[in-house]
Order: sequence, then structure tokens, then C-alpha cells
Amino acid sequence: DTEVTQTPKHLVMGMTNKKSLKCEQHMGHRAMYWYKQKAKKPPELMFVYSYEKLSINESVPSRFSPECPNSSLLNLHLHALQPEDSALYLCASSPARGFSETQYFGPGTRLLVL
Amino acid sequence: GNSVTQMEGPVTLSEEAFLTINCTYTATGYPSLFWYVQYPGEGLQLLLKATKADDKGSNKGFEATYRKETTSFHLEKGSVQVSDSAVYFCALSGGYGQNFVFGPGTRLSVLP
Repeated sequence: DTEVTQTPKHLVMGMTNKKSLKCEQHMGHRAMYWYKQKAKKPPELMFVYSYEKLSINESVPSRFSPECPNSSLLNLHLHALQPEDSALYLCASSPARGFSETQYFGPGTRLLVL
Repeated sequence: GNSVTQMEGPVTLSEEAFLTINCTYTATGYPSLFWYVQYPGEGLQLLLKATKADDKGSNKGFEATYRKETTSFHLEKGSVQVSDSAVYFCALSGGYGQNFVFGPGTRLSVLP
């Protein structure tokens, strides 16, 4: 089973709202990732967690706040977003942050900020 | 740094045509190479991968061979179907702890 699940599938929020995206995997992977994908572009890395610790933050604005409560779960908390943050948010996981590990992606959450 | 270049398209083919999507890379060391496919409204799915030179990855009729001498990983399929219409991303994963590097993606449209 190489499944990564993400909820919700779609999300519409105002600029003053607080919402959270959720990602889950049960493959025993110890590295998890958040990506942002704009239309007709490749995914852009936002955050990397390795063994539940944040190891990379690619200069993402503080209105995005990641959390890794345990090895299977990854959350992305959203607050005071801007319309330009509208995008597809993808979660991925890999066995570890090792050498040339395959990343497995979830279906994504399509976010619209009004 | 590492980089991936691929033809951006869009590529439009008739059903049963032969498909080639070119991908070349720049990397130090010995990266692993991947092709991911993204169907409309969905996330990325791993299509195939190769971890060392001369490896051939294959899946669902798609093939790609890791060519170190030409730093290429071209995707091929002998006979495309309408259901293959999607965006295809070439990607590499380099040394320990290095991030994935994606190409810009190639949009494929297959007409009946």
C-alpha cells in the first residue's frame, strides 16, 4: 500500500479565517513533506519533516504553520492567508530523508482564498 | 545545483501514436530519476523510476532508461491512449537529504 491521504479535498477560506490541512500515511515512512503547486507549474517544496522534526523550511511565510503530531500525521495550519496563496497543496512521504528516496504523493487539497 | 529540463509541450497526439517526452538532467554524483504523472484535478503518481545508470524503469506500457553518458531519462510509450492525457513530470533525487528537483512538466493530450 503506497497511499497518502489528504483532507479536505477542497477548501475555500477568507483572509481572516484559520483552517488546517491534514495528511496521513500508514506506510511507516519517517519523512513527510508539504508542497505548493500553482497551475501549470511543478510542485514547490515548503516544509520537510524527518522523524517528526522540522528539518527544512523553504522560507515560507509564517501564515503557514506545519505540525507533525506523530510519525503518521502531518498538518498544515493556515491563518490570514492572501489570495495568491490559492493553489493545490500536496503532501508526500518517503521512507526516510535518505539517499534518493522515492516520494509518494497524496491527492492534494485545492485551496481558494477569497 | 541539480536541475531537470524537459520539453514543456503541450504535446498533442492521436490515439495509438508513439510517445517520447525528453528529459535531461544536471546533477553531481549519481541521482535517482523519476517520472511522475498528474491527471487533471489529482496529485502526482509515481509512474516509474531508475536508480542507477542503464536501469530501465517501466510501468503501464511506459519506459525510460537512465543514460548517464547523455544525462537523459526520456519517457516512451509505444501506443498512447486517450486515458494517458495528463501532465508528466521528470524529477531527480540527488545525494543524502537532498530535495527532489522537478522539471517544468509536459502536458500531453491524446485525441481519439
